[in-house]
Amino acid sequence: AQSVAQPEDQVNVAEGNPLTVKCTYSVSGNPYLFWYVQYPNRGLQFLLKYITGDNLVKGSYGFEAEFNKSQTSFHLKKPSALVSDSALYFCAYASGGSYIPTFGRGTSLIVHP
Amino acid sequence: DAGVIQSPRHEVTEMGQEVTLRCKPISGHDYLFWYRQTMMRGLELLIYFNNNVPIDDSGMPEDRFSAKMPNASFSTLKIQPSEPRDSAVYFCASSGRSRTEAFFGQGTRLTVV
Repeated sequence: AQSVAQPEDQVNVAEGNPLTVKCTYSVSGNPYLFWYVQYPNRGLQFLLKYITGDNLVKGSYGFEAEFNKSQTSFHLKKPSALVSDSALYFCAYASGGSYIPTFGRGTSLIVHP
Repeated sequence: DAGVIQSPRHEVTEMGQEVTLRCKPISGHDYLFWYRQTMMRGLELLIYFNNNVPIDDSGMPEDRFSAKMPNASFSTLKIQPSEPRDSAVYFCASSGRSRTEAFFGQGTRLTVV
């Protein structure tokens, strides 16, 4: 079965340090991969996507992600974390052409002052 | 554009009552999705529409759940009769043909007592 996995329920990082939120995928063909963020009591907001082309994708709020086909990963990164980045982060995939996002379980990012 | 608009934001109802959740997608978007979010199961896709036509309702948990999209600017998700285990946050999202990411509403928090 196709899926994305987020192996960490929670990630803790100090403000100013780099952050990584992990995602691996098991999707046939050429997957579309996404990252979304959910702040408390809000809907999901799109951060970035990989469809094709450059493996390094830059998105909103200084986030970026690298598509790694050999490791089937699409980790979310940011060079310097902010306390305001604390939120729930979701990795998602869509099978090529379907545009229907299926989400991972989510990772809670906590940035400590 | 005001984004995806969902109503009500909060709904508390008694077991056995009918509940109707409403969604107005972004104008011009031709895909509409209904998701349910719970701690136990994460984000689940319930049903999606393309050009107002239901395409896949395999995620609808039971016959008590039904969804309609009478026109391009309005959709409803109905639960009849409601049960305590239906308590969750229900999200509506929409996306357009030329864009692969989905835009989410703020959700309806449903509590069935």
